[in-house]
Amino acid sequence: GDSVTQMEGPVTLSEEAFLTINCTYTATGYPSLFWYVQYPGEGLQLLLKATKADDKGSNKGFEATYRKETTSFHLEKGSVQVSDSAVYFCALSDLAGANSKLTFGKGITLSVRP
Amino acid sequence: KAGVTQTPRYLIKTRGQQVTLSCSPISGHRSVSWYQQTPGQGLQFLFEYFSETQRNKGNFPGRFSGRQFSNSRSEMNVSTLELGDSALYLCASSIRDGYYEQYFGPGTRLTVT
Repeated sequence: GDSVTQMEGPVTLSEEAFLTINCTYTATGYPSLFWYVQYPGEGLQLLLKATKADDKGSNKGFEATYRKETTSFHLEKGSVQVSDSAVYFCALSDLAGANSKLTFGKGITLSVRP
Repeated sequence: KAGVTQTPRYLIKTRGQQVTLSCSPISGHRSVSWYQQTPGQGLQFLFEYFSETQRNKGNFPGRFSGRQFSNSRSEMNVSTLELGDSALYLCASSIRDGYYEQYFGPGTRLTVT
C-alpha cells in the first residue's frame, strides 16, 4: 500500500538557518504530494502541494519539488523564523478510484531558536 | 468564509461508553473525511463521505462509524470506547470527492479513562 517516510526528529535550528526536511514515498499510482503544518493546539494547514513529477510547490518561503525518479518531496526553506516552529507532515493522495484519502508521514517537530 | 468547525473541542469519556463527534464543513464543500491522530500511530484515515455516502474507509474496527447529512455536516461515532481510542480526531472537508485539497478543522480531543 501507499506509505510516506519522513526523517526522524525533532529538529532544532537557529533563526535564519537553512531548513531541509526529507520525505520519500511509496505509491502504486501517480500520487499528489503535500506538506501540511500543525501549530500547537490546532488542526492541519496545507502548506504546499505538487500534483505531478517535477512540479515545485511553494508558499511562505517554503519549497518542495516532486521528484519521481527518487520518489521524494523534500521540504526546504532558506531562512527559518521562530514563527515556523511547528510539526510538519508530508502526505500523499493517490486519486485512483476518485477518493480523497491522505496518507501521512509520522511528522517532524521543528523548533526555531531566536 | 468560515472554516471547518468541530464540536466539542474536548471530551472525556469512560471505557465502555460511546461518543459522537460533529463536523461542519466549509460552506459549499460536499466531501468530509475523518482522521485519528495519536502519538504512536500518527495520522490515520478513518473514512470519507460524499453526498451522504461513505466513499472510502480506513482500517478501523466496526466500533467506528460515521454518517453525513444532506447539508454535508458529518458525525462520527465510536461505541464501546477503549483506552486506545484516546486521540485527536480531525475532520477535513473538500469541494468534492477526488478533489485533493482538504481543509482541516481544529479537531476534537477525546480522552478515555
